[in-house]
Amino acid sequence: QKEVEQNSGPLSVPEGAIASLNCTYSDRGSQSFFWYRQYSGKSPELIMSIYSNGDKEDGRFTAQLNKASQYVSLLIRDSQPSDSATYLCAVIMGNQFYFGTGTSLTVIP
Amino acid sequence: GAGVSQSPRYKVAKRGQDVALRCDPISGHVSLFWYQQALGQGPEFLTYFQNEAQLDKSGLPSDRFFAERPEGSVSTLKIQRTQQEDSAVYLCASSLASNYGYTFGSGTRLTVV
Repeated sequence: QKEVEQNSGPLSVPEGAIASLNCTYSDRGSQSFFWYRQYSGKSPELIMSIYSNGDKEDGRFTAQLNKASQYVSLLIRDSQPSDSATYLCAVIMGNQFYFGTGTSLTVIP
Repeated sequence: GAGVSQSPRYKVAKRGQDVALRCDPISGHVSLFWYQQALGQGPEFLTYFQNEAQLDKSGLPSDRFFAERPEGSVSTLKIQRTQQEDSAVYLCASSLASNYGYTFGSGTRLTVV
């Protein structure tokens, strides 16, 4: 089992819909969780960080963390074509910063 | 600087050639990671520095890979006797502290021919 797992997709949603991206991780002691967005040919860009159970909202983005279930998710409301990218879940475990393989999201106009 | 700077952006190396990839992190950032990203994959951990100390190098795929950060700022990833399987994007990321989000550089795309 990989340390961080994501559904690779591709995930397609119509413009204006809610996109839901999910991630599970293996280390129950992990405390720091991040979502990165990566456009094709570009480097990952940090969009959200979350450290406590519950929801954290930032504009159209909401990160949700459930440490008991070792699950972190990202919701994108009112999805826009410009949101089309690969979304990477990242978790700090020990000294290492582990990434999932990413979920490819396409927002259809 | 304003961001993490990596150079060169692109590198084409003949198989067997040695290469050196540079990362200039954000000023004051203590933590620095190197990652390798193959096409269609997430970044894979290579090594981690806290200041000048290399705390974890367990991700380096072979002894041909070597990284250093002698003064706790600029870091260099060196690959000796490059092989075709080394072709990937090499990403550097830095952070103020180990549990903060990391800022990535633009990466170096290495192609070994």
